[in-house]
Formats: sequence, C-alpha cells, structure tokens
Amino acid sequence: GAVVSQHPSRVICKSGTSVKIECRSLDFQATTMFWYRQFPKQSLMLMATSNEGSKATYEQGVEKDKFLINHASLTLSTLTVTSAHPEDSSFYICSAREQSNSPLHFGNGTRLTVT
Amino acid sequence: KQEVTQIPAALSVPEGENLVLNCSFTDSAIYNLQWFRQDPGKGLTSLLLIQSSQREQTSGRLNASLDKSSGRSTLYIAASQPGDSATYLCAVSTDSWGKLQFGAGTQVVVTP
Repeated sequence: GAVVSQHPSRVICKSGTSVKIECRSLDFQATTMFWYRQFPKQSLMLMATSNEGSKATYEQGVEKDKFLINHASLTLSTLTVTSAHPEDSSFYICSAREQSNSPLHFGNGTRLTVT
Repeated sequence: KQEVTQIPAALSVPEGENLVLNCSFTDSAIYNLQWFRQDPGKGLTSLLLIQSSQREQTSGRLNASLDKSSGRSTLYIAASQPGDSATYLCAVSTDSWGKLQFGAGTQVVVTP
C-alpha cells in the first residue's frame, strides 16, 4: 500500500536554530501534502497545505516565515522550523494522497524538542 | 466553521467486547470521513474512508457508518483485542483534496 516516510522521527535542537523535516511519498506521486501539528492529548491541527511547484497555503494563525514549507517535487515536501523556540516543541506529522478523494496516508511523525 | 467531536474521550473494555466509537460534525457539507488509528508517539494509520455518498464501509472486524444529514459517524470494532488499544481519530474532509478537520480522538484500552 501507499507509504509516506517522514524523517527524522525525533530531533532535539537548541533555541534559535532551524530544523528541517522531510516528508516523502514512497510509491505514489503526491501533488498535495499536508502538515499537521499535535500537542499532547490533543488532536491534529492543520498547519498548511503544500502544493508541488507553488507556495504553500497556511492556516490562520500559522506563521509562514517561521514554518517554511517547500514542495519541490511530487514525492517530497519539507517543513523547516526557523529560529526554533521551546514553544515550538511538538509532534509534527505530514500526510499525502495520490489523488482527489483517495485516503490520506500519514508519516510516522517527528517529535521536536527545543531546549 | 466545521467542528468535529468524538465521544467518549476514553474507553476501557475487557477483551472480546464490541467497541462503539462516536463522531459528530457540525457541517454536513463534507467530501468524505476517515477513521484513523494512532499509537502513542506514532503517526496515523488509515482504517476506513467513507465517501459522502456512502452509508458505511467495512474492513474485517471494523465497520464505520455515516449519516451525513445528522452529522454522525460510528466506528464499530467487533470482538475487541488488546492489540486494538490505541487512540482512534475521525476526520472529515472539507474539500476534494483532503483538507481534514480532526476530532480530539477516543483513547481505547482493551484489557486482557
């Protein structure tokens, strides 16, 4: 079945540094990928929609200059958390689908801890 | 604005019992509804996808129903097993490309 690979699974960084998270669709092409954020015991909140070859669409309240999204190819989207702060510590998950109305497949998530 | 609610927030049952998880949404104009399973610290596994024109979907011991007009979906898990312990999330798609609105999930514990 369709597989979405997310890397790294865990990352610890110091305040002020930037962290890049990769999301790859391994056996299908994904025109659209989504990035979510999840706080402990809360549901996933959509951060942005990543479209191949164009700018990402951010949800209200998400800082586009802080969470840089690049969707350079049909199989890869990256999320870069710039100038990370402890409040950015969270679980970040990406998802992708092959075509409209097909199931969304999720990566295994990235646990980011900013010290 | 679409809001998705899952009740109960947590559920504990003995092995062998059937599980009934509820999901409600406020705006019936959805494209589809999807049920996911999430294990601690992990990503999501898609369980069932119900298109807006469908009433139910089945996969093995899992059955999900959808009543779009009343804004409800129910996930049934028959003959629960300890391996079914996880958090179950429902999400509705508000556009054709998959923008999902998630519920907060139901945490399920199946005791041996």
